[in-house]
Amino acid sequence: GDSVTQMEGPVTLSEEAFLTINCTYTATGYPSLFWYVQYPGEGLQLLLKATKADDKGSNKGFEATYRKETTSFHLEKGSVQVSDSAVYFCAERDSSYKLIFGSGTRLLVRP
Amino acid sequence: NAGVTQTPKFQVLKTGQSMTLQCAQDMNHEYMSWYRQDPGMGLRLIHYSVGAGITDQGEVPNGYNVSRSTTEDFPLRLLSAAPSQTSVYFCASSYSRTGGSYEQYFGPGTRLTVT
Repeated sequence: GDSVTQMEGPVTLSEEAFLTINCTYTATGYPSLFWYVQYPGEGLQLLLKATKADDKGSNKGFEATYRKETTSFHLEKGSVQVSDSAVYFCAERDSSYKLIFGSGTRLLVRP
Repeated sequence: NAGVTQTPKFQVLKTGQSMTLQCAQDMNHEYMSWYRQDPGMGLRLIHYSVGAGITDQGEVPNGYNVSRSTTEDFPLRLLSAAPSQTSVYFCASSYSRTGGSYEQYFGPGTRLTVT
């Protein structure tokens, strides 16, 4: 079946550093792709999404571009803040419309 | 709107006990689902429902039962708890499974420990 692979964490950065969290997927065709964020003690929240090749999803300074040629959807932010510390999940919506999640990447931002 | 609510927040069970995790949403969403979250494994789909009276199995359904008698509620039943069911359980809902706004809204989770 389809799968989503993310870089393992934790990722530890200093405030204002550049962030990249890698994500690749295996689905054929053109699945919709998502990044969710989970703050401590909370459920997941949708951060951004892209539904077709070359789309760029963006929200709260985070961006990710749907790259069909490399089956990737890497998450980036130019300058992270302490408040960005959370677990980030990449996900794809498969051909039966279920969400397939990656294992999550914990981000810790130090002041 | 309260969004997606789950009760209880925490629960400890002994092996063999049964219980029901409650989930409710007040957004008139058609699609509801249950996930479990385990370290290093992301979220895995247990069961889902595309509307009242309709449920189906996800990736890891064994040991769990669901029903959907109303649009608002989607309880998850553990029939005979096992230590392997120790996990954090999330309920989610979305307007439509296939179209429209597909964003899934998640509840705050239930942390379950089976001893």
